[in-house]
Parts: sequence; structure tokens; C-alpha cells
Amino acid sequence: NAGVTQTPKFRVLKTGQSMTLLCAQDMNHEYMYWYRQDPGMGLRLIHYSVGEGTTAKGEVPDGYNVSRLKKQNFLLGLESAAPSQTSVYFCASSRDAESNQPQHFGDGTRLSIL
Amino acid sequence: EDKVVQSPLSLVVHEGDTVTLNCSYEVTNFRSLLWYKQEKKAPTFLFMLTSSGIEKKSGRLSSILDKKELFSILNITATQTGDSAVYLCAGKGGGTYKYIFGTGTRLKVLA
Repeated sequence: NAGVTQTPKFRVLKTGQSMTLLCAQDMNHEYMYWYRQDPGMGLRLIHYSVGEGTTAKGEVPDGYNVSRLKKQNFLLGLESAAPSQTSVYFCASSRDAESNQPQHFGDGTRLSIL
Repeated sequence: EDKVVQSPLSLVVHEGDTVTLNCSYEVTNFRSLLWYKQEKKAPTFLFMLTSSGIEKKSGRLSSILDKKELFSILNITATQTGDSAVYLCAGKGGGTYKYIFGTGTRLKVLA
């Protein structure tokens, strides 16, 4: 009963380093999302995907790239990490756009950029 | 622009108190309003509301939606320390990927 699994759970990077956050879901959901959560800002959408092989920008996409090569996986990449990207990152999935189904969230990745 | 506003931003109560959390929304082609509870990790789903006036209830938690006035409330009765969390509200429009989240209400329940 895994649901949405994110790896890693914690990471510390130096400015300029790159890394990839992995999200996997086992619910056969079409839609997947990457959010960042900062104090007082709520959840802000970085990128999302409406199906395998498709991705699109959310409200704060700059500095991030994503890929969805397989339906169950959604990867978030930071090519050159900056201190402003210090945040907690959440992945979520949902069945589709039309059905009234909630999003399911992973446990988050706490990322610190020094 | 779509938006969801929650109030209050934070709240401190004592065990046994009743609290009411507020969520107002402006969402294009509104379809549903969702409440989540977030402790230290993932937001966990509480309720989804799609129709006005119908109360959703789970134990000590209940929620109602007013589609005319564009708001929802989440009530927690007989609060317990385990209710301490951030409560998130999100609105969703029809035919869209987007869930619009509020900034959350941080509830602290003191023993």
C-alpha cells in the first residue's frame, strides 16, 4: 500500500550542484505534480504532467526540469542548485482532471542548498 | 486569477475546545473544495465537498460548503493534542489539472 513514494527524504547540496528527485506512484494515476512548500507560501506548483511523456510548467518552474518517461514515475531535476531552492518538495498524483478525486501526496523531500 | 484564502493563519486552543477554520475561494469553473491535514509530512486528505449545504463528517471533524458565498468551514469539536497540524484548503476547477491551495491554518492544541 505504497501510494506516492519520494526519494530521497533529505538532501543537502552546495550551490551549483545538480540533483534529481524521484517520485513514484502505484495507483495508475494519470496526473502527477511537483510542488514546493515554503513558510507562509502554501503549496506552489512547479511542474505537472497529464500523462506519460507529457509535462508542463506550473506557477514557479524556473530553475527546474521534469520528465515523465514512465506513467508511474515523475522526476524533478535541479540543474544548478541555488539557495532560493531550499524548500520542502512534495510530489502528488491524481486520477485525472474530470473526476472529483483528491490528490495523493508523498512524504516530501527536504532540500537545503548551501 | 484563481485564489484560495484561509483564516486564521494560526490558532492556539486548549484541549476540549471547538475550532472553526475558514476557507474562501475564487476558482474558475469551480467543481470541488478539498481539506487536508498536514502534520510533519504529507498532507492527508480529509474531505471533498462539491455541493452546497451538505455536511461531510468524520468523527469530531466536519465541513460544509457554501457555493453562493464561496466559502467553506472546517469544524473540529472536542479538540485533542493530536489535532495539532496545518490544515490546508484547496479548490479545483472542472476539466483542469490545477488545485489551488491556500496557505493553511496552523492549529496548536495545548494539553
